[in-house]
Amino acid sequence: DSGVTQTPKHLITATGQRVTLRCSPRSGDLSVYWYQQSLDQGLQFLIQYYNGEERAKGNILERFSAQQFPDLHSELNLSSLELGDSALYFCASSPKAGVQETQYFGPGTRLLVL
Amino acid sequence: QKEVEQDPGPLSVPEGAIVSLNCTYSNSAFQYFMWYRQYSRKGPELLMYTYSSGNKEDGRFTAQVDKSSKYISLFIRDSQPSDSATYLCAMSVSGSARQLTFGSGTQLTVLP
Repeated sequence: DSGVTQTPKHLITATGQRVTLRCSPRSGDLSVYWYQQSLDQGLQFLIQYYNGEERAKGNILERFSAQQFPDLHSELNLSSLELGDSALYFCASSPKAGVQETQYFGPGTRLLVL
Repeated sequence: QKEVEQDPGPLSVPEGAIVSLNCTYSNSAFQYFMWYRQYSRKGPELLMYTYSSGNKEDGRFTAQVDKSSKYISLFIRDSQPSDSATYLCAMSVSGSARQLTFGSGTQLTVLP
């Protein structure tokens, strides 16, 4: 158990809908990262938050957005869902940047868009 | 061309074999190198983390980094059926935004 929690574990929805994925980082970790894992693209970085502020953006679609709250939990919002958005979505957390750089991944949310 | 290339396998070996997993990369800015293990339908689990060129050993696992050749390896000694998983190499650049760039993963099966 990495200490990172994600809810829900599974999500089934229809095209055009909007969903929210939730992540709680490990106790004390300030950084939260979101990744998408699909069969054709592999694991891809979406976005990073550090202590409530957006720090970096990767291959995140404009239909997707995220935020990190004062208690450090994070939410990833996916809207106008398409079939191709079906994937595993992982959240990872890491401590304040230091010499050692490690990210600990949560169990993921499996999204199926029908 | 992808920044990180990893042989997707699948790789099947007998129990007790030495396994070698490899990744190459093109971005010279990568400074941090990691290996993750991912069991089916689970989140990636950090196995090894290295920063500099050379070898790092942890139990049955050895991570090797050759920055001059842009090549990293993970060796698993005395492989066990419980090692059966997908192994992902990952890299990041230095700086405050250290998102990981992953290889595509190598699926390993260790046969009893």
